[in-house]
Amino acid sequence: DTAVSQTPKYLVTQMGNDKSIKCEQNLGHDTMYWYKQDSKKFLKIMFSYNNKELIINETVPNRFSPKSPDKAHLNLHINSLELGDSAVYFCASSPRTIYNEQFFGPGTRLTVL
Amino acid sequence: AQSVTQLDSQVPVFEEAPVELRCNYSSSVSVYLFWYVQYPNQGLQLLLKYLSGSTLVKGINGFEAEFNKSQTSFHLRKPSVHISDTAEYFCAVSDQLGRGTYKYIFGTGTRLKVLA
Repeated sequence: DTAVSQTPKYLVTQMGNDKSIKCEQNLGHDTMYWYKQDSKKFLKIMFSYNNKELIINETVPNRFSPKSPDKAHLNLHINSLELGDSAVYFCASSPRTIYNEQFFGPGTRLTVL
Repeated sequence: AQSVTQLDSQVPVFEEAPVELRCNYSSSVSVYLFWYVQYPNQGLQLLLKYLSGSTLVKGINGFEAEFNKSQTSFHLRKPSVHISDTAEYFCAVSDQLGRGTYKYIFGTGTRLKVLA
């Protein structure tokens, strides 16, 4: 059983389009995250949700909107895609404690043409 | 706020040689440190973590790390690397934000390339 899954794995789209990435975890964790990894492998947190409540919202353009229908799902919708949005997006989950590890999904490689 | 610094962006090493990947963190009263590995085209997975207690932490795949409070370091080591260890390695610290929330701060990563 996959612990943290993301769909799609690859996403190629044109500038200006709107796209969504879905994430699901079956670990029973309270907290879920979205990270962006750029071409230099730098990993930056975008959002964090705890039991469907947004608790971290880093400096991310308003075109990015996370949605958590329940604590097992955290989706990412991106409006008006730009070239600079091209990256690998990772979903992760963890129990709600400072000393617990995070479990990462396999990533979604977004390419904006 | 916490921060971590990985000084080496790339580390080439021959197979069966030892390796050390360096990580320094900003000082804090209490600190929780992690090392993650990312194999090509995969997500990150935990190698090991330091929460408290023994300063030498053993992880998976023969890796270990030593927590050094005086030098604010948490270097990752392996006595003998394999080709399969070729990957990106990330050091991370857990940063308390208040109100029971926290976030991870990741280093910029070190690419370990094991040469035959």
